[in-house]
Amino acid sequence: AQSVTQLGSHVSVSEGALVLLRCNYSSSVPPYLFWYVQYPNQGLQLLLKYTSAATLVKGINGFEAEFKKSETSFHLTKPSAHMSDAAEYFCAVTRGNAGKSTFGDGTTLTVKP
Amino acid sequence: EAGVAQSPRYKIIEKRQSVAFWCNPISGHATLYWYQQILGQGPKLLIQFQNNGVVDDSQLPKDRFSAERLKGVDSTLKIQPAKLEDSAVYLCASSIDRGSTGELFFGEGSRLTVL
Repeated sequence: AQSVTQLGSHVSVSEGALVLLRCNYSSSVPPYLFWYVQYPNQGLQLLLKYTSAATLVKGINGFEAEFKKSETSFHLTKPSAHMSDAAEYFCAVTRGNAGKSTFGDGTTLTVKP
Repeated sequence: EAGVAQSPRYKIIEKRQSVAFWCNPISGHATLYWYQQILGQGPKLLIQFQNNGVVDDSQLPKDRFSAERLKGVDSTLKIQPAKLEDSAVYLCASSIDRGSTGELFFGEGSRLTVL
């Protein structure tokens, strides 16, 4: 079985501040981990993915995430928030190559001017 | 490259009525998924197809939901009869292959409101 917990359903930061969105996972086998972003009335778009290569993963729009096996975490960060980053962010885990992804409940990011 | 296409984008029905959603995945993608996203929650998998065969439908409420992918390309998800709790966004996603790195490509979703 696999599961994802996203700590904090809402995160608010000021423009230019650090963004930190938390994700913890559980998986019985080495996981593949993903962060997706969802803008209003749109589907989910891939931000970045971890597939057992480098533990620090860089994605689009300046986001990155670090896989920490000992902490079973895959937190998403961005050094400086931009207004366009306001969206909902989902962490997901896939069990190896089984293809089926399990999603967290999402974190809504608000960026204040 | 064309993305995942879904229709209709919005649908409002009364409880006990039926509804159908259509999805056309990215060309060449063997695996197709239907997810249900209730407001305030993450997507929950309903059914996974590999070509035209069902890989996983363990979370599909089979008494009212059905899905097919007859020719291994586009797919239809049907709800009959609908209940109030079926109000959600129905997301279709595809991936190159079940054995790939698992990256999903999503359509824009079909928002269902059941009154």
